[in-house]
Amino acid sequence: QQQVKQSPQSLIVQKGGISIINCAYENTAFDYFPWYQQFPGKGPALLIAIRPDVSEKKEGRFTISFNKSAKQFSLHIMDSQPGDSATYFCAASRGQFYFGTGTSLTVIP
Amino acid sequence: NAGVTQTPKFRVLKTGQSMTLLCAQDMNHEYMYWYRQDPGMGLRLIHYSVGEGTTAKGEVPDGYNVSRLKKQNFLLGLESAAPSQTSVYFCASSPLSRGVYNEQFFGPGTRLTVL
Repeated sequence: QQQVKQSPQSLIVQKGGISIINCAYENTAFDYFPWYQQFPGKGPALLIAIRPDVSEKKEGRFTISFNKSAKQFSLHIMDSQPGDSATYFCAASRGQFYFGTGTSLTVIP
Repeated sequence: NAGVTQTPKFRVLKTGQSMTLLCAQDMNHEYMYWYRQDPGMGLRLIHYSVGEGTTAKGEVPDGYNVSRLKKQNFLLGLESAAPSQTSVYFCASSPLSRGVYNEQFFGPGTRLTVL
């Protein structure tokens, strides 16, 4: 049973466009929602994270939007660049971490 | 400061063989984790440790054992490897600050193939 559902599986965006990746969860006990970025052959690295007491967090071109009532959160990448091409994972945690299945993002010049 | 390192980087085993994957971190983190990553499945937690001498089961613990004899090391063992354990294995560590979860730092991964 997938604790965190992530969509889409893959995404192609033009340079300068907005990339949006969505995640949904069921367990209302989760209290930490990070996004990780992974390049081929590398381990995941934390990109941005949010706790459920805020609805939005922005760091540079990356924004997490969090909807507690809908049990959904999303990653927005503004002004997407070819260097953003990677796999992105959402996760939810309360002790243990549960990851989504990943989104392969390709930003074309 | 090397962060999280994993040994070996690649390994090929035959069914029934055993092996140990080593994870080391030099950040003095309390928490350590072992994940496996399979296509279309994301990262799944195998076992984790909240401190030296303590371990706990994660989402997919069957067929694996772990030990944390020293704070900086976390070992993952496969006693009798099976083809279903072909995967990329990631180790991670995280600090514990005032009981609040923090960023996980991942190692570079170990690619294991079981024939």
